[in-house]
Amino acid sequence: AAGVIQSPRHLIKEKRETATLKCYPIPRHDTVYWYQQGPGQDPQFLISFYEKMQSDKGSIPDRFSAQQFSDYHSELNMSSLELGDSALYFCASSSRDRGATNEKLFFGSGTQLSVL
Amino acid sequence: KQEVTQIPAALSVPEGENLVLNCSFTDSAIYNLQWFRQDPGKGLTSLLLIQSSQREQTSGRLNASLDKSSGRSTLYIAASQPGDSATYLCAVVLEGDYKLSFGAGTTVTVRA
Repeated sequence: AAGVIQSPRHLIKEKRETATLKCYPIPRHDTVYWYQQGPGQDPQFLISFYEKMQSDKGSIPDRFSAQQFSDYHSELNMSSLELGDSALYFCASSSRDRGATNEKLFFGSGTQLSVL
Repeated sequence: KQEVTQIPAALSVPEGENLVLNCSFTDSAIYNLQWFRQDPGKGLTSLLLIQSSQREQTSGRLNASLDKSSGRSTLYIAASQPGDSATYLCAVVLEGDYKLSFGAGTTVTVRA
């Protein structure tokens, strides 16, 4: 079965550079979520999109932006990178149909970002 | 704001022993609760999802219970194996919301 696909798997950047992370949700899932997980930390919600519109916003820095495209893939854009941005970035997708029998969030394998 | 707590933070058991992982949440108005497994540096694998109207879910050696009114869930893993070594996270979705709020996880080591 198709899963959530994230690219790249690993990314190394210098301070003040920019990075773009991509996420391809499971087909027919209408919602995409982005989470950031620092070393030894639990995942923190950044932002979500429902039907290509931003639906919720968490602890996402102003230096970060995200969007969901017409094919439902999403990109997280990170500018002026700081050392503290080094983390595992997860994308997850789900269906908002609350009548669905399966409402699990399915996570991608994540993008490991290292800022040097 | 929903606070999710997992106790203990780490657990080490010999192979074959049953595991009991605890999760508590401060806001009982949840829509559902999920248990995830995470291997070091890897993604999150969903293990079980319990709707707020349910009291438990089972999958193989895994059983998760939910006591919504007291804000608690427990994950039981029967007859543990070294391959069960991982970090287990619980996460809840509030009523009217869609995003997950995670606990910090319990890191399990099963010794052969």
